[in-house]
Amino acid sequence: DTAVSQTPKYLVTQMGNDKSIKCEQNLGHDTMYWYKQDSKKFLKIMFSYNNKELIINETVPNRFSPKSPDKAHLNLHINSLELGDSAVYFCASSQGTANTEAFFGQGTRLTVV
Amino acid sequence: GENVEQHPSTLSVQEGDSAVIKCTYSDSASNYFPWYKQELGKRPQLIIDIRSNVGEKKDQRIAVTLNKTAKHFSLHITETQPEDSAVYFCAAIGSWGSQGNLIFGKGTKLSVKP
Repeated sequence: DTAVSQTPKYLVTQMGNDKSIKCEQNLGHDTMYWYKQDSKKFLKIMFSYNNKELIINETVPNRFSPKSPDKAHLNLHINSLELGDSAVYFCASSQGTANTEAFFGQGTRLTVV
Repeated sequence: GENVEQHPSTLSVQEGDSAVIKCTYSDSASNYFPWYKQELGKRPQLIIDIRSNVGEKKDQRIAVTLNKTAKHFSLHITETQPEDSAVYFCAAIGSWGSQGNLIFGKGTKLSVKP
């Protein structure tokens, strides 16, 4: 009965490849997010998706694209992977976009070699 | 946009002592301030939050204080235990497009020595 689940948990891939990370939430939340946590543990928001409105952090390269087939899913697709993309990626969800707890998935550790 | 500063980046205390982590924020419109705990290799999880209509909130050994005038808020952990060792993140809601989103501080690594 995991609330927010991500797959895979670990992903090792070569530079230049394209990969996807899947995220699903069963909390009935209407907002989902992707965060990137680098080696220094900084949690940086990448995307926010609410009622089909996508907000993109302007610092995120356009090689990253979120895809939401429905309200319970927000997948992350990455094209032409680079070494600097190595990080832990967290999906999260919340009810609404303000004043509410965000629930995180278990994270996906991406290693680009 | 919202900017959240967090100090210290690392904190080491003896078991039983208190630990205090401080954060400042820039957006005076922010009205929700959660604290998350992240154990090694795990996901961030909410431990306590406070809203702008309250100055202090306590839950057993943890408490959070908020000073809206000064735009800072703090986490207090009393009688620390080794299992309190983790990275703690403060956050504030920042306006982002038409939405508010959680903007995190850079984290504080707390080590509690037995």
